[in-house]
Amino acid sequence: NAGVTQTPKFRVLKTGQSMTLLCAQDMNHEYMYWYRQDPGMGLRLIHYSVGEGTTAKGEVPDGYNVSRLKKQNFLLGLESAAPSQTSVYFCASSYGPPSPLHFGNGTRLTVT
Amino acid sequence: AQSVSQHNHHVILSEAASLELGCNYSYGGTVNLFWYVQYPGQHLQLLLKYFSGDPLVKGIKGFEAEFIKSKFSFNLRKPSVQWSDTAEYFCAVNGVGGGSYIPTFGRGTSLIVHP
Repeated sequence: NAGVTQTPKFRVLKTGQSMTLLCAQDMNHEYMYWYRQDPGMGLRLIHYSVGEGTTAKGEVPDGYNVSRLKKQNFLLGLESAAPSQTSVYFCASSYGPPSPLHFGNGTRLTVT
Repeated sequence: AQSVSQHNHHVILSEAASLELGCNYSYGGTVNLFWYVQYPGQHLQLLLKYFSGDPLVKGIKGFEAEFIKSKFSFNLRKPSVQWSDTAEYFCAVNGVGGGSYIPTFGRGTSLIVHP
């Protein structure tokens, strides 16, 4: 099994550009999450989904949008990238509480 | 609301030394607790988890953690670390009930083990 797959692995954007990060899981998980990881800040939740067609805001949702049109996919969009969004983005999925999270390999995004 | 505090931000040890990483949480009810590990350049992986029962849980690679309810703590331990344990360690808590669907992560502890 592939588990949780994130694409792309690396991306460089200029301020104001847009992009979409794709997360796909093949474990039939209901819950999916997008986190950003910054030095000294740990993992901060951006948005999450508790099932197909649902999304909810996390701790740091501003500047991001998400969609969960299919159960296996969870897309994270940046409409107008800013340097403050330079980070490593991790997608995760789970069956839901109390199951542990399964993480993807991350996307390193740099906004110049 | 739930929260997690990891007191040690950076830990440097020599091989064979013992390890204890602190984790304290804040939540008024029953909790599920987790430790995740992130090796350099890799994604987070589950190290161990506590749901209920024996408060001393054992995970992979010789790690263990003890849940002390009275202290709201879930400290991670290993009797003798190896160079390959160099990684970042995250504690996470998920409160049971109250509509909490997501775990809250601590800020992480960076562990460097010198050979």
